[in-house]
Amino acid sequence: GAVVSQHPSRVICKSGTSVKIECRSLDFQATTMFWYRQFPKQSLMLMATSNEGSKATYEQGVEKDKFLINHASLTLSTLTVTSAHPEDSSFYICSARGSTGDRYGYTFGSGTRLTVV
Amino acid sequence: DAKTTQPPSMDCAEGRAANLPCNHSTISGNEYVYWYRQIHSQGPQYIIHGLKNNETNEMASLIITEDRKSSTLILPHATLRDTAVYYCIVRVIQGTYKYIFGTGTRLKVLA
Repeated sequence: GAVVSQHPSRVICKSGTSVKIECRSLDFQATTMFWYRQFPKQSLMLMATSNEGSKATYEQGVEKDKFLINHASLTLSTLTVTSAHPEDSSFYICSARGSTGDRYGYTFGSGTRLTVV
Repeated sequence: DAKTTQPPSMDCAEGRAANLPCNHSTISGNEYVYWYRQIHSQGPQYIIHGLKNNETNEMASLIITEDRKSSTLILPHATLRDTAVYYCIVRVIQGTYKYIFGTGTRLKVLA
């Protein structure tokens, strides 16, 4: 089945620095990827939709200059949290849609736990 | 906003069937019902989906009411490893439609 790999699984960074999270589709081409954020005990909140070769579409209230998304190839999308602050500490999850046959829904990565200190 | 509502939590005894309800009263004719679950600190995992007929796979069964306004996910013999948050989502099968997650049901399987 379709596999999405997310890296790193955990990252701790200092306040004010930037962190990049990678999301790769391993055995299919992902024309669209989605980025979610999840705070403890809460549901997943969609941040943005990333389309290969074009600019990402951000959900209302999500700062595009703070959460930079690049989807330069059909197998890789990256989320960069710029000038991270403790309130950005969260669980970030990506999901991917293939160009064909997503009958069984979108595939999710295993998530990245970001802690900003 | 999510198009589904689910009870926030449920308990189930190990070995018994877990029945998780979902309300999707505004579902459109071309929208499918998908179920995912999220085990602590992992990404959501696909379980099952359906349009209007009942569905069964190796993980679960899905019962959709005739009017399609609600559905029930059934885990026939719950185990401790089924403890997770279960999400019911509706989406159109074609095209790139984003998933909007509701609050989900936190299922706790008790030994």
